[in-house]
Amino acid sequence: NAGVTQTPKFQVLKTGQSMTLQCAQDMNHEYMSWYRQDPGMGLRLIHYSVGAGITDQGEVPNGYNVSRSTTEDFPLRLLSAAPSQTSVYFCASSYGRFQGSGNEKLFFGSGTQLSVL
Amino acid sequence: AQSVTQLGSHVSVSEGALVLLRCNYSSSVPPYLFWYVQYPNQGLQLLLKYTSAATLVKGINGFEAEFKKSETSFHLTKPSAHMSDAAEYFCAVSRSGGTSYGKLTFGQGTILTVHP
Repeated sequence: NAGVTQTPKFQVLKTGQSMTLQCAQDMNHEYMSWYRQDPGMGLRLIHYSVGAGITDQGEVPNGYNVSRSTTEDFPLRLLSAAPSQTSVYFCASSYGRFQGSGNEKLFFGSGTQLSVL
Repeated sequence: AQSVTQLGSHVSVSEGALVLLRCNYSSSVPPYLFWYVQYPNQGLQLLLKYTSAATLVKGINGFEAEFKKSETSFHLTKPSAHMSDAAEYFCAVSRSGGTSYGKLTFGQGTILTVHP
């Protein structure tokens, strides 16, 4: 069972370039999300999805797009990379609603370290 | 709206000493609370969670946390630190109830250093 798989692990971009960070989960999770991690700031939510075809913005959505065409995949697109987007990006998923059923757990991928020059 | 404050960005203890990592939360509805651990160059792993059952929650690797509503706190403790506990620890909060998914709000993180 692979869990949450992110690719690539490392990426260097030039300012203005675009790219897509891939995220896939094989646990049939309804919920998927993207966070960025910056020193001293914890993890901040970029976008999330509660099912195929449904996405919404998190705390820091500017400069990023997402789509969810299948349950398994939730790619994150950087439209025109900026140095401020240098960060470590984590994809995370969970089974469904957090309502005391015992499934209240967010599963994380291993991260993508992105540098924008 | 929810928020989490972790007091102390760095905590240093000696091996065998008590570990205490502080977390205070703010939530307009009853919260679910979590502690995650991140080892270097890895993703986050769940240590323990509070979901409105017992207020004292036991997790993996000997860690536990107590939910104190009156103090809006969820501090993480371990009686005796081990070298392998060195990592970054994150406290997180989510809404409870039927409309909530895994939309967690994280604190800033606390780096735990364990000295021999």
